Amino acid sequence: GAGVSQSPSNKVTEKGKDVELRCDPISGHTALYWYRQSLGQGLEFLIYFQGNSAPDKSGLPSDRFSAERTGGSVSTLTIQRTQQEDSAVYLCASSLVGGRDFYNEQFFGPGTRLTVL
Amino acid sequence: GENVEQHPSTLSVQEGDSAVIKCTYSDSASNYFPWYKQELGKRPQLIIDIRSNVGEKKDQRIAVTLNKTAKHFSLHITETQPEDSAVYFCAASNWSNDYKLSFGAGTTVTVRA
Repeated sequence: GAGVSQSPSNKVTEKGKDVELRCDPISGHTALYWYRQSLGQGLEFLIYFQGNSAPDKSGLPSDRFSAERTGGSVSTLTIQRTQQEDSAVYLCASSLVGGRDFYNEQFFGPGTRLTVL
Repeated sequence: GENVEQHPSTLSVQEGDSAVIKCTYSDSASNYFPWYKQELGKRPQLIIDIRSNVGEKKDQRIAVTLNKTAKHFSLHITETQPEDSAVYFCAASNWSNDYKLSFGAGTTVTVRA
């Protein structure tokens, strides 16, 4: 079946502009995650949605970052007033959770490479 | 929150030799430990995982060991091949509580032909 998809694949923007990154999770997956991966670095957790629960926003680096998930499916990560240090690959992942026997395999999307000039 | 440390950051091995990557975690409540492989320019993919109720798991040339007392776990790759060259990430979570993964910083493995 279809995997996690993200759009755009690449985004170049000017400092100070707002950007929106989109993630389409695997159908039926209740959990959705956003990560940031700077060049040569690890995966930095940003935000996590699980069903109808309040999102875990503990990883968002500043109030310029926000995310929403509409209808329990598609998610949009918004970065306002972009800065050069926001340049990174933004990865989305989804997983099927629930019950003691479900392990937490996260399926990643291809990422959006954001470049802030 | 959970803090995962991963070593080494880079690892170069001769084809056919073994590679070992080690991770430590801070939260004793963590009970799920996956390993992801990320090839250059591609997305991370799960290669093996282990739950806290077992000490070792093997899948062909890869194996993972877990020491809950010491709070560390390791990835072992035997008979390395060029296609094993990638960045490997360990992670930990308490999936009884939430499903958020805390990732290590990654290990770049290069297999020399």
